[in-house]
Amino acid sequence: GQQLNQSPQSMFIQEGEDVSMNCTSSSIFNTWLWYKQDPGEGPVLLIALYKAGELTSNGRLTAQFGITRKDSFLNISASIPSDVGIYFCAGQLHKSGAGSYQLTFGKGTKLSVIP
Amino acid sequence: EPEVTQTPSHQVTQMGQEVILRCVPISNHLYFYWYRQILGQKVEFLVSFYNNEISEKSEIFDDQFSVERPDGSNFTLKIRSTKLEDSAMYFCASSREQIGYTFGSGTRLTVV
Repeated sequence: GQQLNQSPQSMFIQEGEDVSMNCTSSSIFNTWLWYKQDPGEGPVLLIALYKAGELTSNGRLTAQFGITRKDSFLNISASIPSDVGIYFCAGQLHKSGAGSYQLTFGKGTKLSVIP
Repeated sequence: EPEVTQTPSHQVTQMGQEVILRCVPISNHLYFYWYRQILGQKVEFLVSFYNNEISEKSEIFDDQFSVERPDGSNFTLKIRSTKLEDSAMYFCASSREQIGYTFGSGTRLTVV
């Protein structure tokens, strides 16, 4: 099956610093998504990217869909303590004519913010 | 904001027992999904459900698993005879379009 390589696995940063994480895949996706998961909770969608090359922002978050459709990055600027959590990338490959749009998740980046 | 509701939040069961995990998707959503996450690992797709039938399933979703939408609001995942390795967080998700799921908070299943 499709595999997503997400890096780094974990990060420790000072409050106020910028953060960057990325995902690569050996195969293409039609959509890239970035989720955040807090302990004991389900993933919450942060940003969705639909077109190759697309750059999208959501507040302090910026994500890009790679031109080759095989990679994406997420940047968080000026980190704050509530940014702590696990960030997952996910790729979606639509199948025409099928009512299924399963997500393939990366293994996650665990972010710790030191006040 | 509408949300996906899952019950129970934590279920402990003995190996070999049947469990039913329940989900109430967002009311005008059309696509329904189950995912699982073994502790410390990535989220994995199990099954998708659309138009009252399974539209896709992963190799994890074997004959021990089944899904049902018994009425207009609930969406259930049944595991017929639980194994120790079924211990995980199980997430239900729903979407109106094919993109942009909303996940529930999950049910933590512990098989002992």
